[in-house]
Amino acid sequence: AQRVTQPEKLLSVFKGAPVELKCNYSYSGSPELFWYVQYSRQRLQLLLRHISRESIKGFTADLNKGETSFHLKKPFAQEEDSAMYYCALSVYNTDKLIFGTGTRLQVFP
Amino acid sequence: DAGVTQSPTHLIKTRGQQVTLRCSPKSGHDTVSWYQQALGQGPQFIFQYYEEEERQRGNFPDRFSGHQFPNYSSELNVNALLLGDSALYLCASSSGLAGGNEQFFGPGTRLTVL
Repeated sequence: AQRVTQPEKLLSVFKGAPVELKCNYSYSGSPELFWYVQYSRQRLQLLLRHISRESIKGFTADLNKGETSFHLKKPFAQEEDSAMYYCALSVYNTDKLIFGTGTRLQVFP
Repeated sequence: DAGVTQSPTHLIKTRGQQVTLRCSPKSGHDTVSWYQQALGQGPQFIFQYYEEEERQRGNFPDRFSGHQFPNYSSELNVNALLLGDSALYLCASSSGLAGGNEQFFGPGTRLTVL
C-alpha cells in the first residue's frame, strides 16, 4: 500500500534550534518525494523535492531508501518557518500525490 | 497570472443536495487534480483530468464526478451530499502527465454539509 506517515502533529522549537520533521513512506516502486508547506493564510506550495537535491530556505531533505524516510531538516530555525508542513509521495508516472497528515512547526522567539 | 483560482470560497449545503465546485488552472497548465482535505488531515487525492478525460482516480465513490473543459478549467461535482463530505476541496494544476511535476494549488473551497 502507498502511504506517507508523519508521526508528529506538532513540533515546537525556539529560534536558532535545529529542526527535523519526520516523514516515512511505504511504496513498492521508486518513489518521488516532496515537502509542501502552508504558511498562515497562504495556499499550499512546494518547498522542495528529492530529485532536485537542493536547499530551499535553509531546509534540506535526504531520501533514505533503506529506512524509507524523507526527513526535513534545518540547522537553525527562524520564526518565519512557522507553518504546516506536508510530506507527499508522487505515484510513478503520474502527478497523483499521497500526502501525510502534516506537522505543524512552531518556532518561538 | 493569478495562479490557480477556485470558486466559490465557501459553500453551505444540506444532506442529499448536490454541489459543483470550479477551478481554473495556472496559465500554461493542462492537468487538473482535485483533493479533499478534512479537518486535521492531509489532502486526499480524488481524481485528475488531462485532455478532458479522467486519468487517475483515488478511493472516492461515484458520487464524486468531474469534468474538464477545452480551456483546461475543471469542475468537481458531488451528489447526494453526506455530512462526511464537509471538507476543504483543493484544486491543483500542473503541466503534462509525465509525473513528478510540481503541483500548484488553489486556495480551496470550504464545503459545509448540514
